[in-house]
Amino acid sequence: AQSVAQPEDQVNVAEGNPLTVKCTYSVSGNPYLFWYVQYPNRGLQFLLKYITGDNLVKGSYGFEAEFNKSQTSFHLKKPSALVSDSALYFCAVRAPSSNTGKLIFGQGTTLQVKP
Amino acid sequence: NAGVTQTPKFRVLKTGQSMTLLCAQDMNHEYMYWYRQDPGMGLRLIHYSVGEGTTAKGEVPDGYNVSRLKKQNFLLGLESAAPSQTSVYFCASSRTSGSRTGELFFGEGSRLTVL
Repeated sequence: AQSVAQPEDQVNVAEGNPLTVKCTYSVSGNPYLFWYVQYPNRGLQFLLKYITGDNLVKGSYGFEAEFNKSQTSFHLKKPSALVSDSALYFCAVRAPSSNTGKLIFGQGTTLQVKP
Repeated sequence: NAGVTQTPKFRVLKTGQSMTLLCAQDMNHEYMYWYRQDPGMGLRLIHYSVGEGTTAKGEVPDGYNVSRLKKQNFLLGLESAAPSQTSVYFCASSRTSGSRTGELFFGEGSRLTVL
């Protein structure tokens, strides 16, 4: 069965410092991996995805993520955090064999960036 | 371009009452989904549809029914609401081809409270 784990409920970082939000997955075959962000009282917004190719994926708002097959991880990173990055972040996985497009989401990690 | 629109945005029900949440998308997407979001549990898939006239169960389908009579609309029904169904409900849609294949586009959410 597919699953996604986000081991940290909350990540705290100072503005200007680099940030990492961790994600590990379990899926048969080569996964499709996604990161979404949710601001308070809003829907989820797509940040980036990995389907195939370069292990380092760049996305919206300066975020990037690195796919590591041996560690089954897809950590979200940003070189310099902004206060406005404070939000709830979700990692999600889709099995490549899926013909339904449905995503399995992690439990979410709250990112708090302090000035 | 409205994207994915959910109505209503807020609703309070008494135990045993019924209601329907409406999701409409104007992107001509084939796939549509209903998720529920609960604190610490991420998003869990309730039901989904891969095309007009088709529906299927997700992870947590009990107590819910869905219909997709028109491609652009996906309805989520609660026949007899229970307090355990207090949650925020998100509708999403996705396309089956093109550069943005696999990405889910989310509505703003519907907050349901069952007393």
